Amino acid sequence: DAKTTQPNSMESNEEEPVHLPCNHSTISGTDYIHWYRQLPSQGPEYVIHGLTSNVNNRMASLAIAEDRKSSTLILHRATLRDAAVYYCILTTYNQGGKLIFGQGTELSVKP
Amino acid sequence: DAGITQSPRHKVTETGTPVTLRCHQTENHRYMYWYRQDPGHGLRLIHYSYGVKDTDKGEVSDGYSVSRSKTEDFLLTLESATSSQTSVYFCAISETEGGYTFGSGTRLTVV
Repeated sequence: DAKTTQPNSMESNEEEPVHLPCNHSTISGTDYIHWYRQLPSQGPEYVIHGLTSNVNNRMASLAIAEDRKSSTLILHRATLRDAAVYYCILTTYNQGGKLIFGQGTELSVKP
Repeated sequence: DAGITQSPRHKVTETGTPVTLRCHQTENHRYMYWYRQDPGHGLRLIHYSYGVKDTDKGEVSDGYSVSRSKTEDFLLTLESATSSQTSVYFCAISETEGGYTFGSGTRLTVV
């Protein structure tokens, strides 16, 4: 499984945009880039995923580099409820689609 | 999430007893997964299924077995529970090229 590298922690201010980076230099052509977050005492929550093109949904945007070796999760306006651990994970569906979690980025949001 | 439920939500059991955790989905998704989460280790994949009666091992499968006789149910069995299996267990479901949905978790304590 291709690995991802994320900063251990990040801080942001409430109501400001947040850019969470992820490096995945060994990504293969069939790897999808997934983002999940886990709030304290809850199960992981799907945020967004994509293959090659940038993606937007109601929660966030995913910006994928042209060479696909890095990506950025963008929270457009951070709220206190966005404080969580964010995981960037690569998965290939034709291998059972396993999600292998790393340590993620712990995001704190200051009022 | 309404499409996936785990039971029981909490369980306390004695060392050496068998324990079965159940994951039930109403989404008709092909893939189902069992994870455990422990402090300092993050989420680790135990077993997964890519169809009825098709299962495979994950990162930490020793001491666990699984069964999937119907699309909607994925059972995780601890044949003889040990204290090292005290953990929070999460089930997840996915469909090809889709996001993953996680259950609310089962907190298992082995005394």
